[in-house]
Amino acid sequence: QKEVEQDPGPLSVPEGAIVSLNCTYSNSAFQYFMWYRQYSRKGPELLMYTYSSGNKEDGRFTAQVDKSSKYISLFIRDSQPSDSATYLCAMSAGGSEKLVFGKGTKLTVNP
Amino acid sequence: NAGVTQTPKFRILKIGQSMTLQCTQDMNHNYMYWYRQDPGMGLKLIYYSVGAGITDKGEVPNGYNVSRSTTEDFPLRLELAAPSQTSVYFCASSPWTSGEQYFGPGTRLTVT
Repeated sequence: QKEVEQDPGPLSVPEGAIVSLNCTYSNSAFQYFMWYRQYSRKGPELLMYTYSSGNKEDGRFTAQVDKSSKYISLFIRDSQPSDSATYLCAMSAGGSEKLVFGKGTKLTVNP
Repeated sequence: NAGVTQTPKFRILKIGQSMTLQCTQDMNHNYMYWYRQDPGMGLKLIYYSVGAGITDKGEVPNGYNVSRSTTEDFPLRLELAAPSQTSVYFCASSPWTSGEQYFGPGTRLTVT
């Protein structure tokens, strides 16, 4: 079992839809969780950063962590064509442990 | 702040040639990383550094070398380019080992 699993998609939705992107993980020591957005031919940019369990909201984006299920989600409300990108999850246990990345989910929002 | 900058943006190499990919960050981060990204394969860690003078291998170090003489710079060297090194290379920096990483714009390398 890979340490971090992420459905590669691709995921195609109409403009205005609510999008749910997910990652599962196997290491129960993970406590720092991040979502990155990567536009085509660009570097990944940090979108959301959460520590431990719970929700974090930033505008149209909500990050959710369920440590009991080892499952994290990113919700995008009122999705826009400008949200079309690949979304990567990343997580770490803290201390000297490095980030572990998912392989990314490609999202297309159609006008 | 410019963040993380990488040069060149694009490069075509012939098999057996050598080159250095440059990476500079202006955030005073101790931790720096080199990744390669191939289609559908995610980010693979090549080398990382925890501070000036200290480097270590990542998941796929073969065929690459790094050095870290200053906090700001972390160049990646390809000594004998092979077609398997055709990829997009990203440099990243972080304020701490497990912390959020900030990525550069990438270098797209083709070896023919």
